[in-house]
Order: sequence, then C-alpha cells, then structure tokens
Amino acid sequence: DTEVTQTPKHLVMGMTNKKSLKCEQHMGHRAMYWYKQKAKKPPELMFVYSYEKLSINESVPSRFSPECPNSSLLNLHLHALQPEDSALYLCASSLPGGFNEQYFGPGTRLTVT
Amino acid sequence: DQQVKQNSPSLSVQEGRISILNCDYTNSMFDYFLWYKKYPAEGPTFLISISSIKDKNEDGRFTVFLNKSAKHLSLHIVPSQPGDSAVYFCAASGSNSGYALNFGKGTSLLVTP
Repeated sequence: DTEVTQTPKHLVMGMTNKKSLKCEQHMGHRAMYWYKQKAKKPPELMFVYSYEKLSINESVPSRFSPECPNSSLLNLHLHALQPEDSALYLCASSLPGGFNEQYFGPGTRLTVT
Repeated sequence: DQQVKQNSPSLSVQEGRISILNCDYTNSMFDYFLWYKKYPAEGPTFLISISSIKDKNEDGRFTVFLNKSAKHLSLHIVPSQPGDSAVYFCAASGSNSGYALNFGKGTSLLVTP
C-alpha cells in the first residue's frame, strides 16, 4: 500500500477562520512533509518531520502551524490566512534519510477569501 | 534560486515514439534524483529514481540517465503512450537539505495518437 490520504479535498475559508488539514499514511514511513504548490509552479517545501519531530521549517509564516501527533498522522493548522495562501497543499511521506522516494497524497485545494 | 531546472515547458511526441525529458541541476551536493508525473488537481506520482553512484536506471518503459559531470539528467519513455500525457517534474535531494525534494518547474508532455 503506497497510499497517502489527505482531507479535506477542498477547503474554502475566510481570513479570520481557523481550520486544519490532515494527512495519513500507513506505510511505516517516519518522515513526513508538507509542500505548497501554486498554479503552474513546482511544489515548494514547507515543513519536514522526521521521527515525529520537526526537522525543517522553510521560513514559513506562523499562520501555518504543523503538528505530528504520531508516526502515521500529520496536520497543518491554519489561522488568519491571506488570499495569497490559496494553493494546493500536498503531504508526502518517505522512509527517513536519503535515497528514499517520497509518496504524495492527492492534496487539499485551499481557497482563502 | 532555482537549483533544478527544466528548460522545456512543453513537449509533444507521437504515440510509439521516444519521449526525452531533460533536467539540469546546479547543486553538486545533490545525490539522489527522481522523476514524478502529475495530473491536474492530483499529487505527484513517483516514477523512477537514480542515485549519484549510477548513470542509468531502467524500469519498464522508463529509463533515467544521469551525467554527473554535466549536472544533467534525462528521462526516456519508450514507447510513448497517450496515457503518458501529464506534467513531469524532475526533483533532486541531498543530505545538506535534509533530503527534502527540490523540484524543477515541470515539462508538460503531450503524446498524440
């Protein structure tokens, strides 16, 4: 099973709302990632968790708050977002360390109004 | 600063012929390279990878070639099929970036019957 699931598929939120994106994998992967992808652009790394600990934060604004409750789950908490944060948010997982492919979920299409 | 470059935004190939997608990178610390295929509104799907100790890796119709001295890799698809029509992303990773993926901007491949 090489499936990474993400919920919800689509999300529309106002700038004052608080919402969360969820990601789950059952491949035993101990590295999990959040990427942001704008239209016609490549995915851009936001956060990396390794063994449930945040290992990389690519200078992401604090209105994005990641959480890794256990080895299978990854959340992204959203608060006070801006319209320019509208994008496809992708979760991925892999075995930790190098030379391991990352498996991506289908993404959450976020629109901030 | 784009460390992974795909200079051809699009490519059109006839069914049954060879598709060649190219990718260049600038960071000599990258040691693992991957190709992903992406359909609109979906997450990237892993296709094939190669480590820096190899110069070729083959998986069915897909072959990736790596030229380390030129910092260049290519993906060959033979024979091309209409179902291969998608955006192809080249990605690279290395220990100095925690093995997070650096993506190129993608090449949109169209395989015509």
